[in-house]
Amino acid sequence: GDSVTQMEGPVTLSEEAFLTINCTYTATGYPSLFWYVQYPGEGLQLLLKATKADDKGSNKGFEATYRKETTSFHLEKGSVQVSDSAVYFCALSDGGGGADGLTFGKGTHLIIQP
Amino acid sequence: DTAVSQTPKYLVTQMGNDKSIKCEQNLGHDTMYWYKQDSKKFLKIMFSYNNKELIINETVPNRFSPKSPDKAHLNLHINSLELGDSAVYFCASSQPGAGGEQYFGPGTRLTVT
Repeated sequence: GDSVTQMEGPVTLSEEAFLTINCTYTATGYPSLFWYVQYPGEGLQLLLKATKADDKGSNKGFEATYRKETTSFHLEKGSVQVSDSAVYFCALSDGGGGADGLTFGKGTHLIIQP
Repeated sequence: DTAVSQTPKYLVTQMGNDKSIKCEQNLGHDTMYWYKQDSKKFLKIMFSYNNKELIINETVPNRFSPKSPDKAHLNLHINSLELGDSAVYFCASSQPGAGGEQYFGPGTRLTVT
């Protein structure tokens, strides 16, 4: 079945540091890939997405590129802020945009220190 | 305007009780979902409904029963609550054919004592 693997953390960085959170996936079809963010006490918010190979999703300074050859979708940000502290989830949808549920990684807890 | 809303936000109850969580979306989406997030933050799909019809029913105890009165609402009923049901439950919605992205509600933290 489908699966998503990501570093679990916690990942602790200083403000303005470069961020990479690795994500790799296994899927039978051609999935869409997502990064969601969960701030403390809140629900999940879509951060960015990519629907086909070589697509780059970007939002709020975060980027991730859909790499089919390495089955990866690593999240990057050039300069993190304290407000980026949250749990980040990599996810895939293998249903061609249908009614399938998302398959999530276990989440990476990111802590940014001033 | 809230896109996906859930009530209640917190629910504390005793073992053996029956409880319900309500979800509503005003996005006009055809598909709604319930997810369970455990204490380690792991998220797993429980149910998926497309236009009031059950599409996915993962390995969930039959004490859990989703009910969709219309395509904007998907409620979750839980009978005979157990300690292991304690978790955060998220409702989500999506529009098929829109790339698979889902929009999540704020979650309901269920604590069974």
